[in-house]
Order: sequence, then C-alpha cells, then structure tokens
Amino acid sequence: AQSVTQPDIHITVSEGASLELRCNYSYGATPYLFWYVQSPGQGLQLLLKYFSGDTLVQGIKGFEAEFKRSQSSFNLRKPSVHWSDAAEYFCAVGARGYSTLTFGKGTMLLVSP
Amino acid sequence: DAGVTQSPTHLIKTRGQHVTLRCSPISGHKSVSWYQQVLGQGPQFIFQYYEKEERGRGNFPDRFSARQFPNYSSELNVNALLLGDSALYLCASSSPVASGGAAETQYFGPGTRLLVL
Repeated sequence: AQSVTQPDIHITVSEGASLELRCNYSYGATPYLFWYVQSPGQGLQLLLKYFSGDTLVQGIKGFEAEFKRSQSSFNLRKPSVHWSDAAEYFCAVGARGYSTLTFGKGTMLLVSP
Repeated sequence: DAGVTQSPTHLIKTRGQHVTLRCSPISGHKSVSWYQQVLGQGPQFIFQYYEKEERGRGNFPDRFSARQFPNYSSELNVNALLLGDSALYLCASSSPVASGGAAETQYFGPGTRLLVL
C-alpha cells in the first residue's frame, strides 16, 4: 500500500526567507507525486506534479519540487516566501493510470513579518 | 472555464439523518472522485466514478454511496450520520489518460463542510 509522510506539522518562516517542506513516500512502483495547497476554508489547488523525466519540477506561484528516488522524497521549495503563501500544504502520491490519491497529513505554513 | 463546483457549501445535520452532496466536474472531465477531510488530516479517498461506473472505493462503510449521472455530475450520499462524519467533503474531477500513461491529475472543488450534531 502506498503512503505519504509529511514530518512537519507546522513550520514558521519569515517573509522573504526560503522554504522547504518535506515529503517522503512509500510506493512499490514508479510514483506519481503531487503537491497541493489549501487556504483556510478552501479546496485544494494543484501546485505541481511529477510524472517522469526531469527530477526538478516547476510549479505555480514560484514553487518547485525535487524528486529523489534514493531518498523516497519529494520536497517542496520556494526561494522567497510571501505572506500570501501562509496555508496548509499537502503532498500526495498516485498510481499509474489511476487518479486515486493518497495524501499526507499536511504541513501548516505560517509566515511571520 | 468553470472549475469543479460543489453544493451546498455548508450543511448541518443531526445524528441518524441522511445527507446528499453534489458535484459538477470541469467541462470535458468524465471522472469524479470523492474525498473526506477530517479536521487536521489530509483528504481520504472515498469513491471514484468514471462513465457512471464505480472505478474505486476507499475504506468507508456501506453507509456511504455515490453515483454519477449521464452529464458526469455526481452525488455522494451518507446514511445514518454519525458525529464522526463531520468533515469537509471534497470532489475532484479528472480526465483519464491513455492506458499505461501517467497518473491522472485531479482538480478539486471548494468542498462541502458537513457538521453532524
């Protein structure tokens, strides 16, 4: 069975500082990996996805993520955080040919002035 | 283009009642999935429908059921509501990829927040 671990429940970052959110997955075959963001009371917005090819993927809002097979990780990064990035971030893994997603428990990002 | 829409946005029910949640997918998407997100947790897969057929089911009791209509919209029904059913219910739509292709990308609606008292 596939699973996703997001080790950090909360992270606080100063505005303008860099950000890295951790995600580790467990999956027996080639994983398909996603990052979603959820603002309070809202649904999920897709930030980026990895299916194959270049292990560094670019997403919306200046986010990027790097797939590292040897570490079973897919960490999300942003070089300079803005106050509007404060939200909850979810990493998810999917299977080839299907859209069922397994999500991590999420990381809440707080941005301090 | 309109995104995934869900109705109602909020709902309050009492234990033992029945609830129906509705979802309209993105135009052109034929697959709809339902997820339950309990406070403080990530979304959990409940059902997926494609072309009106159930394509997948998560680990939820038989009190949960769903269906998909010819226009690809979908309903999620929950019978005999329990306090633990209080959650944000998310609908996602996707467009199937060719066999053996990459995973489908799911696009989520704003959700229906259900409170069971």
